Amino acid sequence: GESVGLHLPTLSVQEGDNSIINCAYSNSASDYFIWYKQESGKGPQFIIDIRSNMDKRQGQRVTVLLNKTVKHLSLQIAATQPGDSAVYFCAENPTNTGFQKLVFGTGTRLLVSP
Amino acid sequence: GAVVSQHPSWVICKSGTSVKIECRSLDFQATTMFWYRQFPKQSLMLMATSNEGSKATYEQGVEKDKFLINHASLTLSTLTVTSAHPEDSSFYICSGRDRWSSYEQYFGPGTRLTVT
Repeated sequence: GESVGLHLPTLSVQEGDNSIINCAYSNSASDYFIWYKQESGKGPQFIIDIRSNMDKRQGQRVTVLLNKTVKHLSLQIAATQPGDSAVYFCAENPTNTGFQKLVFGTGTRLLVSP
Repeated sequence: GAVVSQHPSWVICKSGTSVKIECRSLDFQATTMFWYRQFPKQSLMLMATSNEGSKATYEQGVEKDKFLINHASLTLSTLTVTSAHPEDSSFYICSGRDRWSSYEQYFGPGTRLTVT
């Protein structure tokens, strides 16, 4: 079945450190991946996305890496700030679902200490 | 950027009653809208996908007669939880996909439903 999972449920870092959040996916038919940030009581907020024909994509302070060989996705946050504290979800779009729906991972809570 | 609103942001209802949640795309046309449910400390689980003017497609295990979805226009979808029970208490989140976008979904802020 479809599943997207994360290795670490909680990640604690110090302000200014770099953070790396990992995600494993199981559907080799997925062609699009997204990272979302969700603060308590709010909806998911888009961070960055990557298509399966890319290995790396950079945004402002964030980088997403995709390793299709081992079906692994990671989100790197540079110079982590207290405002980055939230739950981060990876999501994949399996191309064999028809409606371009997203399958979400289990989430990682990022705690940033000042 | 694309904005999706939900109303109400939170609601408390008694067991056995029905509750309607609205999802609106404010600055884009959402040909497809998605409804998710999220229990505390868990991930988002897709409940159903609705295309404007068509019947919604429900995920396995989601009762279509209990969770009524209407997507009558390109900017509005509604989810009605009928005969709500305490186990339906959850965070309901909708998202819309722009008619010109293949993948990206824009999420609403969510609706907290508490059934007493």
